[in-house]
Amino acid sequence: DILLTQSPAILSVSPGERVSFSCRASQNIGTSIHWYQQRTNGSPRLLIKYASESISGIPSRFSGSGSGTDFTLSINSVESEDIADYYCQQSNSWPTLTFGAGTKLELK
Amino acid sequence: EVKLVESGGGLVQPGGSLKLSCAASGFTFSSYTMSWVRQTPEKRLEWVAYISNGGGSTYYPDTLKGRFIISRDNAKNTLYLQMSSLKSEDTAMYYCARSVVAHFDYWGQGTTLTVSS
Repeated sequence: DILLTQSPAILSVSPGERVSFSCRASQNIGTSIHWYQQRTNGSPRLLIKYASESISGIPSRFSGSGSGTDFTLSINSVESEDIADYYCQQSNSWPTLTFGAGTKLELK
Repeated sequence: EVKLVESGGGLVQPGGSLKLSCAASGFTFSSYTMSWVRQTPEKRLEWVAYISNGGGSTYYPDTLKGRFIISRDNAKNTLYLQMSSLKSEDTAMYYCARSVVAHFDYWGQGTTLTVSS
């Protein structure tokens, strides 16, 4: 199985800062990575598909990059509503799909 | 507006069975593949089952094969998950999610399953 390692487990930021989340795959998965946001007591929401493709309705401050084994989700200028857990998911081994353990974004 | 509403969760004894439902609205249900994804108490997300738009193809992780069965009724716009031989490690929030190829573009609010004696 393809393992996804997200780091760090917790990120602390101040509003207005730029923040980046890391997701590393255990093998080359091309650009088959997708990112989700989950706010407290909420359901996951798709933010980015295929490493860098934007999703309609998602603010432009969210962006994704990477290929192969290393991927990054960035928030250009963090807002208070961005406080949430962030997960990556790989689809290279479809139909077996796996998620990373997540990174918690908190305010300093 | 796409809406997915899960139901059927509850408290079940180990070894028991339960069937979850997911009512879909706001889109042409029969045109989309669907999945179940669960979130453990430790907040890990795990893909549980996938079904093609017509229901003819289903997939499961190897760890769940034989215990979980996904199905759908396109006339009723409803997705199902039949779970049997339940174990404590099946305790989780179960989400139904619309699949677009191999990612999930809409999720329901979830229904909670607790397996405990």
